[in-house]
Amino acid sequence: EPEVTQTPSHQVTQMGQEVILRCVPISNHLYFYWYRQILGQKVEFLVSFYNNEISEKSEIFDDQFSVERPDGSNFTLKIRSTKLEDSAMYFCASSLDRRSPKTQYFGPGTRLLVL
Amino acid sequence: QKEVEQDPGPLSVPEGAIVSLNCTYSNSAFQYFMWYRQYSRKGPELLMYTYSSGNKEDGRFTAQVDKSSKYISLFIRDSQPSDSATYLCAMSGANFGNEKLTFGTGTRLTIIP
Repeated sequence: EPEVTQTPSHQVTQMGQEVILRCVPISNHLYFYWYRQILGQKVEFLVSFYNNEISEKSEIFDDQFSVERPDGSNFTLKIRSTKLEDSAMYFCASSLDRRSPKTQYFGPGTRLLVL
Repeated sequence: QKEVEQDPGPLSVPEGAIVSLNCTYSNSAFQYFMWYRQYSRKGPELLMYTYSSGNKEDGRFTAQVDKSSKYISLFIRDSQPSDSATYLCAMSGANFGNEKLTFGTGTRLTIIP
C-alpha cells in the first residue's frame, strides 16, 4: 500500500541552525501539507501546498519557515533559524485529487529537538 | 471557545466493551469529519471520514455526525487490545483539496485484556 515517507525520523539541532525536513508524498497525490505536534499537544496545521504554490498557511508558519517541491517526488520544510519552541513532531501529509477530498494521509513524522 | 473540543481522557475499558469517543466543534463551516488513530510516536492514521451529517459504518467502527448539535462520535464495537491508541477527531471545510484539518486534542484509549 502506498505511504507517505519522511526523513530523517529524528533530528537534533542547535538553536539558530537551519534544518530541512523531507517528505515523499504518495505518488499520485496533488495536495501536500505540513503539520506539527508539540509533545502532549494537538496536531496543528502549518501549511498547504498545491501546484507549486502555498495555498494556505497558519500563523505559526512565519518567515522562518519555507516549503518547496524541488522535484516530482520530494516535499520539504525548511526552518531557517530554529528556536527552542520549534521542538516538535513534524508530519507531512498528502491528499488525492478531488475524487477523494479531505482524505489526508500522514507520514510517520520527524521528531525535531532544538537545543 | 476552541474550534474543536475533545476529552483527552485517558479512557480505559475492558476488552469487548463498546467505546464511545466524541468531539464538539464551533465552526459551522466544517463539512468533512475525520477520525484518525495515532499510536505512540507515530503519524495519525485515517480511520474514517464522513461528509456532512449521518452515520457511516466500517467493520467494528461507526462514525456519527450531528451537525445541528455540532457533535461527532466514533463508536468501536467489540474493542480489542490492539485498539489501544490515541484517537483524534479532525474537521475541514468544503473546499476541494487544500483544506487544512483542525484537530481535537485526542483521546487516549486503553483496552484492558
